[in-house]
Amino acid sequence: AQSVTQLDSHVSVSEGTPVLLRCNYSSSYSPSLFWYVQHPNKGLQLLLKYTSAATLVKGINGFEAEFKKSETSFHLTKPSAHMSDAAEYFCVVSDRGYGGSTLGRLYFGRGTQLTVWP
Amino acid sequence: DAGVTQSPTHLIKTRGQQVTLRCSPKSGHDTVSWYQQALGQGPQFIFQYYEEEERQRGNFPDRFSGHQFPNYSSELNVNALLLGDSALYLCASSLLGESEDTQYFGPGTRLTVL
Repeated sequence: AQSVTQLDSHVSVSEGTPVLLRCNYSSSYSPSLFWYVQHPNKGLQLLLKYTSAATLVKGINGFEAEFKKSETSFHLTKPSAHMSDAAEYFCVVSDRGYGGSTLGRLYFGRGTQLTVWP
Repeated sequence: DAGVTQSPTHLIKTRGQQVTLRCSPKSGHDTVSWYQQALGQGPQFIFQYYEEEERQRGNFPDRFSGHQFPNYSSELNVNALLLGDSALYLCASSLLGESEDTQYFGPGTRLTVL
């Protein structure tokens, strides 16, 4: 079965400092992993996706994530936070069927609320 | 290139009523998934439609039903509304195949049940 654990419900940083949002996953097969961002009263926007091509994945708005199979982790980072980064971030794993075939269902973590102080 | 659209934006209903939410997928996409996001939670998968058939279903009661039309748009119907059905309902579209798990989300419909 697939599942995701986001280790921090809230993260606060000052503008210009690094961001680290932590995520551990559980998957029966080689997973596809995602990070989505949700701004207040908005839908979900895809930040980046890991599909086994490269362990370091670059996304939009300067975010990147590193897939570490030995640690079953997929942490999201950004070198320098901006006020506009304040939002809810979701780590997501996709469902896999027998043999690792893609089924399309997504499993979401509970989310990490990122606050950026001026 | 139009993204995923949903209607209405907000909806207020009373317990026991029925509601229909609508979704138009991103241009070129053929698969629609629905998710329920309760306040302070991550989205939960309701079901997915492809070729007008329900392809997968999450742990939601039969009060939740859906439909997909030949133009790939979709509806989510909820009968006998409960207070606990109050949530943001998100529609996501994708293209069946290698990248089908890459889903693009609409802005959602905020349902309030009184």
